[in-house]
Amino acid sequence: TQLLEQSPQFLSIQEGENLTVYCNSSSVFSSLQWYRQEPGEGPVLLVTVVTGGEVKKLKRLTFQFGDARKDSSLHITAAQPGDTGLYLCAGYNTNAGKSTFGDGTTLTVKP
Amino acid sequence: DVKVTQSSRYLVKRTGEKVFLECVQDMDHENMFWYRQDPGLGLRLIYFSYDVKMKEKGDIPEGYSVSREKKERFSLILESASTNQTSMYLCASSALGAFEKLFFGSGTQLSVL
Repeated sequence: TQLLEQSPQFLSIQEGENLTVYCNSSSVFSSLQWYRQEPGEGPVLLVTVVTGGEVKKLKRLTFQFGDARKDSSLHITAAQPGDTGLYLCAGYNTNAGKSTFGDGTTLTVKP
Repeated sequence: DVKVTQSSRYLVKRTGEKVFLECVQDMDHENMFWYRQDPGLGLRLIYFSYDVKMKEKGDIPEGYSVSREKKERFSLILESASTNQTSMYLCASSALGAFEKLFFGSGTQLSVL
């Protein structure tokens, strides 16, 4: 079974601060996805990265896929209270035909 | 607006009851999935389906079964509910060729007493 470890598990910061969330594995993935989940809702896809070394930006969020396609990071610049939520990474393996999820990072941004 | 709809947001059942969780998607997606979500454990795949009447076991299928009689509907069945099946259950779908891009429902919080 492929495992994805996310760190930190919990993060509480003030509005305006920057932060980085990490997603690491010993396995290679075909692609990696980041989701955000708000209380009482299902996860919503933010981005998918496919190529090793790929960087994608979504407004104040920057996603990077590691060169070896085993790890990824999510960086948020100038965090806002609306960024509060559970961030999940998921690695997809074409051969297995399924995604493996990390256990999530709970982010709280205080006004 | 595309949607994955789960029939119940909250469900309370007794140990030993047979439980049906229903999921419907309106995106004409081929692939459908059932996950459970527990604090500190992330999302764990129970079953998934590539097509009508097809099903594949995920990582934790024990105690569960599924049914997919129509493309848009995927049901999760707990044959005899147990307290360790108390959890948040999430249904998801994805398109052919975009297997990894999951669209999730809002979830069903199941409590087994």
